[in-house]
Amino acid sequence: SAVISQKPSRDICQRGTSLTIQCQVDSQVTMMFWYRQQPGQSLTLIATANQGSEATYESGFVIDKFPISRPNLTFSTLTVSNMSPEDSSIYLCSVQNTGGSTDTQYFGPGTRLTVL
Amino acid sequence: KQEVTQIPAALSVPEGENLVLNCSFTDSAIYNLQWFRQDPGKGLTSLLLIQSSQREQTSGRLNASLDKSSGRSTLYIAASQPGDSATYLCAVRSSASKIIFGSGTRLSIRP
Repeated sequence: SAVISQKPSRDICQRGTSLTIQCQVDSQVTMMFWYRQQPGQSLTLIATANQGSEATYESGFVIDKFPISRPNLTFSTLTVSNMSPEDSSIYLCSVQNTGGSTDTQYFGPGTRLTVL
Repeated sequence: KQEVTQIPAALSVPEGENLVLNCSFTDSAIYNLQWFRQDPGKGLTSLLLIQSSQREQTSGRLNASLDKSSGRSTLYIAASQPGDSATYLCAVRSSASKIIFGSGTRLSIRP
């Protein structure tokens, strides 16, 4: 299994500002993902964080709004840029130990973001 | 496009009852299916992972089954306890790097 920590655990931000969320894993992992969970909704994949290259974004999500970094195999950041109240969500980091299709996927505790 | 549905959306039962949560998916070409638990305001805890070649997995009071041909999975919870109260999410892996989540079942166990 993998132990994942996220910082901050929660934040309240003003409209138009940006917030960077950090994800740290206790072991090297192949795959890292960022998800969003809007109030009362299920999880939606934002992007796959690729080490040393640009993240792979899902439909409806763009790099200018959600820039992602992944400098090594244990760390990634997600920035929510130019925030609006619609960005209020829980943001979750997720990892998979290898690139295999049989792997369990693990999730961090989430970052609860409120935009005023 | 894979779609995952969970029924019911919410369920409330008295403590001690056995219960079943349902998950259905539209595309049977899956790699595996995973059940998660999410407590309010928290992240996800993996409960059970069933590979596409398996029919069921068990962990303690939990049993998950998979019927790929009919596009269904169930999560059986035996002798429910108030501590089981949470939202249960079903997630289907349709590719090596992407899983699709259902909308979840919010479970409440009454003491």
